[in-house]
Amino acid sequence: QVQLVQSGAEVKKPGASVKVSCKASGYTFTSYYMHWVRQAPGQGLEWMGIINPSGGSTSYAQKFQGRVTMTRDTSTSTVYMELSSLRSEDTAVYYCARRNSQLEAAFDIWGQGTMVTVSS
Amino acid sequence: SYVLTQPPSVSVAPGQTARITCGGNNIGSKSVHWYQQKPGQAPVLVVYDDSDRPSGIPERFSGSNSGNTATLTISRVEAGDEADYYCQVWDSSSDHQEVFGGGTKLTVL
Repeated sequence: QVQLVQSGAEVKKPGASVKVSCKASGYTFTSYYMHWVRQAPGQGLEWMGIINPSGGSTSYAQKFQGRVTMTRDTSTSTVYMELSSLRSEDTAVYYCARRNSQLEAAFDIWGQGTMVTVSS
Repeated sequence: SYVLTQPPSVSVAPGQTARITCGGNNIGSKSVHWYQQKPGQAPVLVVYDDSDRPSGIPERFSGSNSGNTATLTISRVEAGDEADYYCQVWDSSSDHQEVFGGGTKLTVL
């Protein structure tokens, strides 16, 4: 079945970086763009950016430009999201979500989420 | 940047109809998607492109979009529908980014 499986929870100190992975299975990895979305505790959803697994091109939300890097490994059908210069406000659950152009670009499949805690 | 406005909460009795709104400037010209999120779980797509349902989503979930307001309608509400609901659009203006509403907590009384 189609699924996205993310890496486990992380605890980081302020100023550090974190890299979260998202492994896709059950479909052609290079045929669907992948988004990253985060959710701070008790808050709403916040879009971070998107990557084209086929060519590797990316587009980031203005808020995260300069701090976020999205990459992919086609040999393992995995996308990565790295966030640097972490601060306490980055404490959140980070989700990958597949963009489905056949559903008018809706986010049709989501990973289970990765909790990132930033604390000294 | 484009802003989507949702009511923080909506309450409805079981068996009744819940309507959750999503306001935005000329949102009727955009394609609106809706997600359901239960506590501790990832969001699930329940309506896409204003009014279409993905496979596996009950017909009780429907949507509409016109003018400055999009609406998610849940008919014959069940206890299991209690969740947070988010609307989402793609902002094709200078920002070129995805935008989520702030979310609405649906409480089944």
